[in-house]
Amino acid sequence: EAGVTQSPTHLIKTRGQQATLRCSPISGHTSVYWYQQALGLGLQFLLWYDEGEERNRGNFPPRFSGRQFPNYSSELNVNALELEDSALYLCASSLGAAEQFFGPGTRLTVL
Amino acid sequence: QKEVEQNSGPLSVPEGAIASLNCTYSDRGSQSFFWYRQYSGKSPELIMSIYSNGDKEDGRFTAQLNKASQYVSLLIRDSQPSDSATYLCAVRNPPGRRALTFGSGTRLQVQP
Repeated sequence: EAGVTQSPTHLIKTRGQQATLRCSPISGHTSVYWYQQALGLGLQFLLWYDEGEERNRGNFPPRFSGRQFPNYSSELNVNALELEDSALYLCASSLGAAEQFFGPGTRLTVL
Repeated sequence: QKEVEQNSGPLSVPEGAIASLNCTYSDRGSQSFFWYRQYSGKSPELIMSIYSNGDKEDGRFTAQLNKASQYVSLLIRDSQPSDSATYLCAVRNPPGRRALTFGSGTRLQVQP
């Protein structure tokens, strides 16, 4: 069974640009979560999508947004990129409230 | 006070020994607890989940939960060099909140 997939693997942007990151959950999983792992800050929760709706968001500004598509895949958008947005962005999926399984991540570098 | 606390390490143990990793959490309402392993440059991999007080064993791994003391631990028996990684403790709080709160992780080094 395929795991969570994310694309792209690496993304390089300049300050002020927009970044779009994509995630496909494990087949059958309807919940998708986004986390940020920045150097020195640890893993922090960004967003939770379930059945196409945003259910919860972490302590991040509104320029972090996303959506979930009918096939349960998800997209994370980061607008007006800042240098401190450089991080590993991890997507996880779960079947309901069960354990969360992570994808390989997208490394975003903002120059 | 951090919500989930772990000693950053490194915790160094010889090959074949038992590695003991500890985690404390601040929210008494927490109900679900997880241990993830993260190799350098990779994403977290789920090792164990535990939901009730006591021990839960899976192969060489044992998770221990004590809700009264707000303490969760992971024991790794017969440690191998391939176990060298950062171990992340994660806590999920009720009700209906799915977000995981992570500790900063403990780096484990298993010496051959």
